[in-house]
This record gives sequence, C-alpha cells and structure tokens, in this order.
Amino acid sequence: DARVTQTPRHKVTEMGQEVTMRCQPILGHNTVFWYRQTMMQGLELLAYFRNRAPLDDSGMPKDRFSAEMPDATLATLKIQPSEPRDSAVYFCASGAGGGEDEKLFFGSGTQLSVL
Amino acid sequence: AQKITQTQPGMFVQEKEAVTLDCTYDTSDPSYGLFWYKQPSSGEMIFLIYQGSYDQQNATEGRYSLNFQKARKSANLVISASQLGDSAMYFCAIISNFGNEKLTFGTGTRLTIIP
Repeated sequence: DARVTQTPRHKVTEMGQEVTMRCQPILGHNTVFWYRQTMMQGLELLAYFRNRAPLDDSGMPKDRFSAEMPDATLATLKIQPSEPRDSAVYFCASGAGGGEDEKLFFGSGTQLSVL
Repeated sequence: AQKITQTQPGMFVQEKEAVTLDCTYDTSDPSYGLFWYKQPSSGEMIFLIYQGSYDQQNATEGRYSLNFQKARKSANLVISASQLGDSAMYFCAIISNFGNEKLTFGTGTRLTIIP
C-alpha cells in the first residue's frame, strides 16, 4: 500500500531552534508539494517540486524557510530560526505529474509547535 | 489565478440522509481539474473524487458523486446515505494545467453526521 511518509509526526521546539521536516514521496511520483495548515489561513502551498527541481516557492517565507529534494526519495522542509507563528500542521503530498488530473496523495502531516 | 469558495463552514446532517457540500471556483484556465478531499479528526487528507473540466459526465466514486455545473463554475460534492464515519472536514480544490500544477484549496466545510 503506497503512501507518503512524513517524519516526525509531532515536533515541539523552542523559538529560535532549527526544525527539519522530512517527506518520502510515493515511489515513482515526480511532483512533491509542501502545504501548511492553520486555523486562520487554511491550507497554504509553501513550495512544490517537479522531478526534484523547485518550481514554485512563492508561498514560503524565504528568510527562514527552505525546501530541498536531495534525491527522488526525500524532500525536506527546514525552518531556521523557528518562531511561534510557524506553529501549524505541515503536509507533504506527492503526485504522478499528470497535469490537470494530478491526484495528490498526502502524508499524515507534521504537527509543529514552537514555544 | 485560481480560487475555490466553500460557503458552508459547518453542516449537521441526520444519519442516512444525503448531503450536498457546495463548492464554486474561479479560474481563467480553460483546462482544469476539481478535487474533493476529506480530513477526519485524525488529520490525514484523503482523496475522494476528481472531475476534469472536459469530462462530459459527473464523476462518481461509491457513495460520492460530484455535481459539476461548468457554466455556473460549481462542483458540489454529494454524499448519499450518510454514515457516522463521514463526519469530517471536506475540502474542495482546483488545479489547472498550464505548467503550474498547484492545487488550491477552499476553506473547507465541517460535516457532522447526527445519529
């Protein structure tokens, strides 16, 4: 049963610390998306990759956030330094790059709390 | 730019009744796809159903069907014979196919099924 795997599932950290979230997309999928979900803003797209190349990260605060795909099986989202307003659920999703019928499969999310 | 509007923040429905969740969209792209995702209290995002903009027939997946009215730019989700396990947040989303395959979500509708 193929699925998107995200780690950690939960993360509690102090303001100023670095946070790294990891995502293993479904094998064979060539698009990877990072979304952030909060009560106030709903689901926001932070960044997305196709064939490991970043295509759009306009939704991401560049001064503290960075997203990379070091290889096809791993995507990372880093926050440095973290701030309390970064507290949210961060979802990774992957797709087969089929254009308008691109079904995205989501991971279980990382619940981040920055104190 | 593309946008999804879900005007029902919450709905309460009696078990076994049918329920319609509203979704309207806005896009300037002639080719696009519409999706519905379910997010139960556990937090994961579950793909439910997809409708392509050029599909002639409304999509169906088991108890889920999508009432697609292209001229009205609406893509309502219909759940027949609702069950207690249908209680969740439901998100409508759109993706367009001009090399910018970002899935944009609405704010969601919280559905509660009453026994």
